[in-house]
Amino acid sequence: EAGVAQSPRYKIIEKRQSVAFWCNPISGHATLYWYQQILGQGPKLLIQFQNNGVVDDSQLPKDRFSAERLKGVDSTLKIQPAKLEDSAVYLCASSSRAGGHEQFFGPGTRLTVL
Amino acid sequence: DQQVKQNSPSLSVQEGRISILNCDYTNSMFDYFLWYKKYPAEGPTFLISISSIKDKNEDGRFTVFLNKSAKHLSLHIVPSQPGDSAVYFCAASAGSNQFYFGTGTSLTVIP
Repeated sequence: EAGVAQSPRYKIIEKRQSVAFWCNPISGHATLYWYQQILGQGPKLLIQFQNNGVVDDSQLPKDRFSAERLKGVDSTLKIQPAKLEDSAVYLCASSSRAGGHEQFFGPGTRLTVL
Repeated sequence: DQQVKQNSPSLSVQEGRISILNCDYTNSMFDYFLWYKKYPAEGPTFLISISSIKDKNEDGRFTVFLNKSAKHLSLHIVPSQPGDSAVYFCAASAGSNQFYFGTGTSLTVIP
């Protein structure tokens, strides 16, 4: 079974630029999560999708972050414009059902904002 | 507000001995707790979990203990192996969303 795929693996941009991350979850997984992990901290949930609907986006900085999951499969997370404090690893995870606590994580995208 | 806390950033243990990783939480609404293991440059992988209706769950060398009155859980690894060296994250959820992770404990198992 293929795992969660993310791209790119690394991205370096300058502040005020835009960036997008892509995630393809495990086939058949209805729930998809985006996390932000700043160095030395644990992952922080940004947004949770159930199929193509948003379940929870209470910690998503909506003035600059947006995410979508068209057709309930893969998802993109965008930052526009980026700030220095957005430097982090962005993790995508999926689970097989709503309330499915065991999440399968992708390798992450390491973003550096200069 | 850090709702899940791992107060020990690092832990070193001799191979074959017991590793005990601790986690505290503040939200009494949490009903499910998980431990994840993370190697460098990889995403976290699920290790073991426990529901709030239980106080112990065991899977091979890994056992998780939950003390609801103290809002504390711990992960025991017996015996510890060098391949267990990784960062361990404690996580908690309330219902089907609101997942919160601790800051992680870096475990080093010395051969």
